[in-house]
This record gives sequence, C-alpha cells and structure tokens, in this order.
Amino acid sequence: AQSVTQPDIHITVSEGASLELRCNYSYGATPYLFWYVQSPGQGLQLLLKYFSGDTLVQGIKGFEAEFKRSQSSFNLRKPSVHWSDAAEYFCAVGATRDDKIIFGKGTRLHILP
Amino acid sequence: DAGVIQSPRHEVTEMGQEVTLRCKPISGHNSLFWYRQTMMRGLELLIYFNNNVPIDDSGMPEDRFSAKMPNASFSTLKIQPSEPRDSAVYFCASTSMRPGNEQFFGPGTRLTVL
Repeated sequence: AQSVTQPDIHITVSEGASLELRCNYSYGATPYLFWYVQSPGQGLQLLLKYFSGDTLVQGIKGFEAEFKRSQSSFNLRKPSVHWSDAAEYFCAVGATRDDKIIFGKGTRLHILP
Repeated sequence: DAGVIQSPRHEVTEMGQEVTLRCKPISGHNSLFWYRQTMMRGLELLIYFNNNVPIDDSGMPEDRFSAKMPNASFSTLKIQPSEPRDSAVYFCASTSMRPGNEQFFGPGTRLTVL
C-alpha cells in the first residue's frame, strides 16, 4: 500500500524568500503524485501533479515540484513566496490500480511580512 | 461547471441527533470520496464509491456512520447518533475513472456536535 510523509508540520518563511516543502512517498511501482493547497476555510485545490514524463512539473501560482525516484521524493518549490501563499499544503500519492489517493498530514506555511 | 457541491456548509447539532451531509459530484465523474478533517487526525478517507458502488469503507469509524450513493449525482453521509467527537470538517471529492486523475474537492461541511 502507498504512503506519504511530510516531515515538516509547520514552516515559516519571509515574503519574497524561496520555499521548499518536502514530501516522501512509499509505493512499489511508479506512483501518481499530487500537491494540493488548502486555504483557511476552503476545500483542497490541486497545485500540480505528476504521473509520467518530465520529472519537473509546473503548477499553478508559480509552484513547481520535482519527482526524484531514487529518493522517493516529490518536493514542492517556489522561488519567491507571497503573503497569499500562507496555507496548508498536502502531498498525495495515488496507485495505478484505483482512484484512491493517500494524503500526507500536511505542512502549514506561515509567511512573515 | 459548478464543481463539487456540498450542503449544508455548516451544521450545529446536539449530541444524539441524526446528521445528514449531502454531496453532488461533478457531472461525468464516476468516483466519489468522503473525507473527514480534524486538527488531531488530519485528512482521513472515510469511504469511496465507484459507479455508485461502495468500494472501500474501511475508514468509516463506527456503525454510527453510513454512506449512500443512490445515483451518479448524489451521495449522503449520515451520522446517527452524533457525538461531540464527530465534530470536524467533512469533505466530498469526485474524480473520473482513469487512475491518476486528480480529485476535485467540495468546500466542505463544518459539523459541530454540542
């Protein structure tokens, strides 16, 4: 069965600084990988996803993520964060056999002015 | 497309009462998921349906919880009787059949059981 680990519960960065959120997954085959964002009081919105091809994936809002099979990682990056990026970010992994995806515990991002 | 629709958005009830949460998936999607989100436990998958059939209900916490999907455009999650520890945000999500397709989430129902 697949699993996801987001080692950082909270991260604080200054506005304009770069960001990297970590995600490690466990799955026996090539997984489908996702990053979602949840703003306060909102549902989850897809930022980006990977299922094949180029290992560097571009998403919405200036985010990107890189799939590294050797490290079982799918870290999310942004070169310069904005105050509006303050939210909770979820990494998720899907299996190739069904529609179910497993979510990590989430990383809450705080932005300092 | 209106997206996934959930109702009510907020529900406050007293312990012991029956609660019914509703979800309308995106038209054309044939998989539907119910999640519960709390501070302590994060986002938990309760149950999911494929073509209106429950596929995996291993996340349903107790017999007090039940879910139905009578047709492709409607699903309910019922809690009876409700307890204070059921207080959480409940999300519904839908996706199309192809593996790897992302799930689209509704805005959630915030349930408070007094």
